[in-house]
Amino acid sequence: DQQVKQNSPSLSVQEGRISILNCDYTNSMFDYFLWYKKYPAEGPTFLISISSIKDKNEDGRFTVFLNKSAKHLSLHIVPSQPGDSAVYFCAETLLTGKLIFGQGTTLQVKP
Amino acid sequence: DAGVIQSPRHEVTEMGQEVTLRCKPISGHNSLFWYRQTMMRGLELLIYFNNNVPIDDSGMPEDRFSAKMPNASFSTLKIQPSEPRDSAVYFCASSLGGFSGTDTQYFGPGTRLTVL
Repeated sequence: DQQVKQNSPSLSVQEGRISILNCDYTNSMFDYFLWYKKYPAEGPTFLISISSIKDKNEDGRFTVFLNKSAKHLSLHIVPSQPGDSAVYFCAETLLTGKLIFGQGTTLQVKP
Repeated sequence: DAGVIQSPRHEVTEMGQEVTLRCKPISGHNSLFWYRQTMMRGLELLIYFNNNVPIDDSGMPEDRFSAKMPNASFSTLKIQPSEPRDSAVYFCASSLGGFSGTDTQYFGPGTRLTVL
């Protein structure tokens, strides 16, 4: 069974608006959650992370929110830009350093 | 640094043939990871090494899959015999190996494998 789930396979947003990507998890014993971004024909690249002891982390246009009681996290991109169009993966990192990825959400930002 | 290097970028083979995927991690990185990406399951960790030693191979699908890391600068993932359901994109990643959430993994461009 998937420990990390991204239930929306795709999301389409207008340029300048907010993009919200969601992720649910089952394992409470995690160290960090990370978001990776992937363009076609390239490997994933690290975007932003959040520690299990925090509920928010912000880096420029990207903000991660963690709701431990709901076992849910979300990535907010404000404002969205066409260059943000990519596949976004959330991943939990276990204390062993192992990463468990979700299935990914394809974001399309329309000009 | 050139980043993580994978070869070949594309591989098309027939069912039953042996396939070998290659990876050169970033110099100085102590951990190496092999992933498989499919539409249904996203990115799955197959195996990872730390200091050339396999640490966790619980994600390796079955005995047809094997991975080696003979030295710090080279790793292979072998599938023998290959089957159509092995068709996927295979990624290699490396990290400093700090075993914490801040230890960023750097991915290669991937090998797209098609088994006919």
